[in-house]
Amino acid sequence: DGGITQSPKYLFRKEGQNVTLSCEQNLNHDAMYWYRQDPGQGLRLIYYSQIVNDFQKGDIAEGYSVSREKKESFPLTVTSAQKNPTAFYLCASRRDSNYGYTFGSGTRLTVV
Amino acid sequence: AQTVTQSQPEMSVQEAETVTLSCTYDTSENNYYLFWYKQPPSRQMILVIRQEAYKQQNATENRFSVNFQKAAKSFSLKISDSQLGDTAMYFCAFVIYNQGGKLIFGQGTELSVKP
Repeated sequence: DGGITQSPKYLFRKEGQNVTLSCEQNLNHDAMYWYRQDPGQGLRLIYYSQIVNDFQKGDIAEGYSVSREKKESFPLTVTSAQKNPTAFYLCASRRDSNYGYTFGSGTRLTVV
Repeated sequence: AQTVTQSQPEMSVQEAETVTLSCTYDTSENNYYLFWYKQPPSRQMILVIRQEAYKQQNATENRFSVNFQKAAKSFSLKISDSQLGDTAMYFCAFVIYNQGGKLIFGQGTELSVKP
């Protein structure tokens, strides 16, 4: 079955470390998105990519970086510059033709 | 700025009764999609219903229906015959055509269905 796989499900980061969250899709979707979810704030867009080798900043890109070297993969790196990274991170992809979105099951990142 | 406002952080309803979740949004664009997503405790985002802004007829999916008022920029969700499995966080969202497909979400409404 087609879908989006996010890994790991839980991730712990020490102060000053960079960590990378994985997002892989086998839906042949062109566009992919990273959202951050905090209690009481809904989902906020971090980065998005509409095509391979191209990506744009969302509303809260500071302290994060992404790459899009393959259509199937859109990893998110949380750098040490992100001062409050503890949150739930959701990856999504979009079918271009009719705005049908598919979400991954998320990664819970905690700073220890 | 394009924003979505859900004014009810929490709601509760008795099983089998009807509940309405409110959503207002702000955009100067004319062509967009509106969505309601459900996020149960598993945190998986599940599409409940969607509406294209150019369609005047309100969307319906089984027990779920919307009241779309484009002029008022209002998009409420009605859940009929509420079931225990409807307990979840509900998010209202919209996306503007041809602007990167960026979904803009509200803050969410936590719905509890009580037996």
